[in-house]
Amino acid sequence: AQSVTQLGSHVSVSEGALVLLRCNYSSSVPPYLFWYVQYPNQGLQLLLKYTSAATLVKGINGFEAEFKKSETSFHLTKPSAHMSDAAEYFCAVSDLSSGYSTLTFGKGTMLLVSP
Amino acid sequence: GAVVSQHPSWVICKSGTSVKIECRSLDFQATTMFWYRQFPKQSLMLMATSNEGSKATYEQGVEKDKFLINHASLTLSTLTVTSAHPEDSSFYICSARDREDWRGGRNEQFFGPGTRLTVL
Repeated sequence: AQSVTQLGSHVSVSEGALVLLRCNYSSSVPPYLFWYVQYPNQGLQLLLKYTSAATLVKGINGFEAEFKKSETSFHLTKPSAHMSDAAEYFCAVSDLSSGYSTLTFGKGTMLLVSP
Repeated sequence: GAVVSQHPSWVICKSGTSVKIECRSLDFQATTMFWYRQFPKQSLMLMATSNEGSKATYEQGVEKDKFLINHASLTLSTLTVTSAHPEDSSFYICSARDREDWRGGRNEQFFGPGTRLTVL
């Protein structure tokens, strides 16, 4: 069975500071991993995804994430936060148990950016 | 490319009525669409997987007679909330997978903007 844990329901950073959003997954087989961003009252936008290629994945808006199998982690980072990054971020996993068909989402982390 | 629309974006209805939500893939063919439900400040919960031309697969705990899903074409899936009650009030989000992406081994879901349902 696939599952995702996002540590911290809220993360606050200052504009220009490093952003680190944590995601740990549980999967008995190599997973596909995703990070999505959701702005208020909107759907989800894909930031980046890991599908068994390079372990360091670069996404849109300057975000990147590193797949670490030994730590079962897929943390999202951005070197310098911008006010427009304030949103809800969801980590998601898909694995062979679902035929890589369905996504299981974490509870989400709200990123707050202060001036 | 890969745009998914939902209609309506928001709806308010009286308890006991039925509400239909449409999900369309605008520039690709989607053999599979997914319906999610999101309560305030919570994560997305998969309700059902909808495959074109066949019956939807519902997740455990989701009432198939209450949440009717129809995927009649490669670009349209509908979710009908029957006899809606206030506890059905939620944000409903659909996603779609491009048929060509699936064939190519890619597994990205493209999400619609969501529909806010409020049942009075």
